[in-house]
Amino acid sequence: DTEVTQTPKHLVMGMTNKKSLKCEQHMGHRAMYWYKQKAKKPPELMFVYSYEKLSINESVPSRFSPECPNSSLLNLHLHALQPEDSALYLCASSPLGKGEIYGYTFGSGTRLTVV
Amino acid sequence: DAKTTQPTSMDCAEGRAANLPCNHSTISGNEYVYWYRQIHSQGPQYIIHGLKNNETNEMASLIITEDRKSSTLILPHATLRDTAVYYCIVRDYILTGGGNKLTFGTGTQLKVEL
Repeated sequence: DTEVTQTPKHLVMGMTNKKSLKCEQHMGHRAMYWYKQKAKKPPELMFVYSYEKLSINESVPSRFSPECPNSSLLNLHLHALQPEDSALYLCASSPLGKGEIYGYTFGSGTRLTVV
Repeated sequence: DAKTTQPTSMDCAEGRAANLPCNHSTISGNEYVYWYRQIHSQGPQYIIHGLKNNETNEMASLIITEDRKSSTLILPHATLRDTAVYYCIVRDYILTGGGNKLTFGTGTQLKVEL
C-alpha cells in the first residue's frame, strides 16, 4: 500500500459545527503532516507529527486541533471555523531518518467549505 | 531553506520535451533540490530530487548546474496528463527525527497542448 487516504473528500460545515478530518497510511511512515491550501495558492504547512508526537505547529489557531492516535492515523478536529477557513486540507506522510530524503506522499485532500 | 524562483507559466506541445527551470542561487552545500507537481484538485506528487549530480527516474530527469545555482526538470515526452503546477523546492536534509518542513513556493503552471 503506497497511498495516503483522506476522508471525507468533501465536507460542508456550519460555523458552530464540530467535525473531523481523517488521514490514514500503511507505509510504515513515522512522520505525518497537515497542510492547508487555498485556491490558486501553494500548500501551507500546519502541523507535523513524528513518532505520534506533535513536533511542529505553525502557529495554527486553536479551532484546529490535530491528533495522532497511532502511527497510521492522523486526525484534524475542527470547531467554530470561519468561512475563510474554507480550503483544501492535505495530509502527507514520510519516513523519518535517512528514508525521509525520498520525499513525502500526499493524500488527495478534503475540500472543506465553511458556511 | 533557500528560496527558489520559477516562471509563472509555460506551454508545451504534446510529445515534446518540457523543460522547467528553477533558480536557487542561494542554495547551500547541504540542501537538496526537490520537484513535486500538483494536478488540479489533487495532492502534490513527488517527482524527483537531487543534490549535485543529474538524476533520472521513470517520471523525469533533473539537471543541476555545476555551481548548483539552478536546475531544470525535464519531462522527456510530455502528455496532456502532465498539465499541472510544478514546484521546485530546496530543502536542507536534517536528521532531526522530528520531521522537516516542506515549504512550497508559487510553482510553474505547465500546460501541455495538442
